[in-house]
Amino acid sequence: ETGVTQTPRHLVMGMTNKKSLKCEQHLGHNAMYWYKQSAKKPLELMFVYNFKEQTENNSVPSRFSPECPNSSHLFLHLHTLQPEDSALYLCASSQPDLNTQYFGPGTRLTVL
Amino acid sequence: QKEVEQDPGPLSVPEGAIVSLNCTYSNSAFQYFMWYRQYSRKGPELLMYTYSSGNKEDGRFTAQVDKSSKYISLFIRDSQPSDSATYLCAGGYGGATNKLIFGTGTLLAVQP
Repeated sequence: ETGVTQTPRHLVMGMTNKKSLKCEQHLGHNAMYWYKQSAKKPLELMFVYNFKEQTENNSVPSRFSPECPNSSHLFLHLHTLQPEDSALYLCASSQPDLNTQYFGPGTRLTVL
Repeated sequence: QKEVEQDPGPLSVPEGAIVSLNCTYSNSAFQYFMWYRQYSRKGPELLMYTYSSGNKEDGRFTAQVDKSSKYISLFIRDSQPSDSATYLCAGGYGGATNKLIFGTGTLLAVQP
């Protein structure tokens, strides 16, 4: 777990706020992922980046905007979210040609 | 039909019991399978992965894959209270498609 860090661990925001989630991996990987985890639902893949290029956008609403400035850092910018966006947001990393993904501890997001 | 189906539980067993956790999948394109363990308020932790039908053992854990029936299992021997967590199974496509499709997870409680 310590190979992938996420900040903040908890976030409460209003529907009109703008905030960002940060992920950093210390594993030397070149692929990074954002997932959404809601109660009683499977992990939902949101975005995939390989070598800093976005290779997957799983029909995610535009109020979620990812950014990958380098292979070690991944951001998720949030704006005008809805209460149903409240969930645990997980970051993961892997080597692009290996599918063993390693997860961070997640950011627990509450949208009021 | 969900690509990966998993009984959400909860599953409650006494300490020392053999635990069997199971998933079925529908996508024949899956090349490999993962088991993750997720403690409350933590990110998923990779437990085991396997690329082929058959068994793979690691300590008290055995992962079993039957591709002919699209059935995957995780067995935990001599279960401990510290094994109490949610167990997630996932299927992956391999190659350049570094996507994992997760089940909903099974909540396991090992009673001391």
